[in-house]
Amino acid sequence: QVQLVESGGGVVQPGRSLRLSCAASGFTFSSYGMHWVRQAPGKGLEWVAVISYDGSNKYYADSVKGRFTISRDNSKNTLYLQMNSLRAEDTAVYYCAANYGLWGQGTMVTVSS
Amino acid sequence: SSELTQDPAVSVALGQTVRITCQGDSLRSYYASWYQQKPGQAPVLVIYGKNNRPSGIPDRFSGSSSGNTASLTITGAQAEDEADYYCNSRDSSGNHLKWVFGGGTKLTVL
Repeated sequence: QVQLVESGGGVVQPGRSLRLSCAASGFTFSSYGMHWVRQAPGKGLEWVAVISYDGSNKYYADSVKGRFTISRDNSKNTLYLQMNSLRAEDTAVYYCAANYGLWGQGTMVTVSS
Repeated sequence: SSELTQDPAVSVALGQTVRITCQGDSLRSYYASWYQQKPGQAPVLVIYGKNNRPSGIPDRFSGSSSGNTASLTITGAQAEDEADYYCNSRDSSGNHLKWVFGGGTKLTVL
């Protein structure tokens, strides 16, 4: 079954860290660039980060640059997003997405004291 | 970075045709993809490339592009088409790996 499944979301205090995971199955994960996209409550989609198929290139939205790190383990068919120094404005549903258009169901991150 | 602009809301009578548009400089270089998102659900790709539909997407959905404008057309809109629609393309202002999204269009089927 072709799918992406995110995990790792939750409630975290401002300034703390969280790591999201995205497990891929049913397609050749190592052949595709992968993205993280987020959606704040009641808002539109915001692109967060991308990593190339082999992990050699990574790019970030200005809003998360220096705080978030995208990575992947092709041997485990898994994508990650390490989120540090979290802020209230990072509260959102976080989706992983393959470059060809497959999305996961999302995981909710709430940053609140 | 590039920006994509969409009308916030559009309405269509049941069974009629509606066009949702997306404008941005990146669309001069890259095709738009279109996503449908219903409340509480993840976005679903409905159009990609010049005018391609993923498996399972009804043929009433079609895409087109001219200059800096991309369009999603729903011919014979159904009640189940009521949703938010987002356009998406590669970012042409810097690195082409980056994505950019439009602000979304809320489609109401009357």
